[in-house]
Amino acid sequence: QSALTQPASVSGSPGQSITISCTGSDSDVGGYDLVSWYQQYPGKAPKLIIYEVFKRPSGISTRFSGSKSGNTASLTISGLQAEDEADYHCCSFAGDFAFFVFGPGTRVTVL
Amino acid sequence: EVRLLESGGGLVQPGGSLRLSCAASGFTFSIYAMSWVRQAPGKGLEWVSSFSGRGETTYYAESVKGRFTISRDISNNMVYLQMSSLRAEDTATYYCAKGVVRLREDRGFESWGQGTLVLVSS
Repeated sequence: QSALTQPASVSGSPGQSITISCTGSDSDVGGYDLVSWYQQYPGKAPKLIIYEVFKRPSGISTRFSGSKSGNTASLTISGLQAEDEADYHCCSFAGDFAFFVFGPGTRVTVL
Repeated sequence: EVRLLESGGGLVQPGGSLRLSCAASGFTFSIYAMSWVRQAPGKGLEWVSSFSGRGETTYYAESVKGRFTISRDISNNMVYLQMSSLRAEDTATYYCAKGVVRLREDRGFESWGQGTLVLVSS
């Protein structure tokens, strides 16, 4: 059982925007601005797309954006494209005891 | 270009031991945190252990504490995960990952290796 909660799946049509939620607690998401998001294609390694809630690593499309409100972080994918079909995992720093916690992952389907 | 290459996975019996290795290149190894993250078949990601980028501090998930040991060899840009008393629930692909921000171990995982599969079964 994951410490963070994500929807199992989200879908959208090309060009639309979708948002994936990631809900934790005061001990992780709500306690630190240290949420990161990872994109993972089947059989491949994860790829960092958002860190520190909203920052994008070099080379990551501006179509990906992150935000946080209270104990819930969100990843928004704008202008959905076929190549965005993948699993998306959220992660939060959780202090010296738990350190990092992940969500179970959300499968994004482009209709 | 950052490169991380894991090795050492394989089939091991319950109660057995295994050492995973990760060869790193393309960045200043000594100032970045290095971590191991695993993914059981068909499941989500699970953080396992981290080595701080600022010194010799190590961190472990409760599920592996006392059984796994992370270490690093700065001279050879290597990070290791010594696993003992392995259980069926340790079966997973183990990824080596580099920290995002120099000297910080709490920002997440910027670069990942391709993973190495550990199968614990009799």
